Amino acid sequence: SQQGEEDPQALSIQEGENATMNCSYKTSINNLQWYRQNSGRGLVHLILIRSNEREKHSGRLRVTLDTSKKSSSLLITASRAADTASYFCATDRGSTLGRLYFGRGTQLTVWP
Amino acid sequence: GAVVSQHPSWVICKSGTSVKIECRSLDFQATTMFWYRQFPKQSLMLMATSNEGSKATYEQGVEKDKFLINHASLTLSTLTVTSAHPEDSSFYICSARDVRGTEAFFGQGTRLTVV
Repeated sequence: SQQGEEDPQALSIQEGENATMNCSYKTSINNLQWYRQNSGRGLVHLILIRSNEREKHSGRLRVTLDTSKKSSSLLITASRAADTASYFCATDRGSTLGRLYFGRGTQLTVWP
Repeated sequence: GAVVSQHPSWVICKSGTSVKIECRSLDFQATTMFWYRQFPKQSLMLMATSNEGSKATYEQGVEKDKFLINHASLTLSTLTVTSAHPEDSSFYICSARDVRGTEAFFGQGTRLTVV
């Protein structure tokens, strides 16, 4: 990947369970974003967390950011089969130009 | 939210031909657009930054003569894959940044298959 790594690379859970995905990066950042991608389709923006924020919530999503460890986590609570998708983190590497550098992604499968 | 449209959504072409992909910001102006490539089951790789009225900036390892980028207006950037080969088959996605903000909005992607 251009920026860092997500782990796990694949995650398989049952509906109702929580899914946690982690992302690590290597450079300074202004913000970190999480995206979702259904198979073979475009990206859906989920959440943006700024470098001075530690935690952010949006519906069933909870994102944390630890800049000292250069890592972030995405938690999806009470997962649904419709949450099945690939999830990517992306950072700006400290640039304000809008370029994004993506991690390898986690393929989440939620079984009904 | 802002809408970015890519066209075509998929294309099949013969080896050796060139293919043009368009990226349009429909309801906002974008001085900067970005092109990414994604191989199957892999992540998105930033290819280049497209700047309105000036030359594109390419990421290391991306051949600028192979992937021609034109950003002729504040709402349109094009990526032309020249002399396409099967290894160029990929999913190409653009994003556009509103001149007034910091967020970039993504198109729906173009799946290119070179046969």
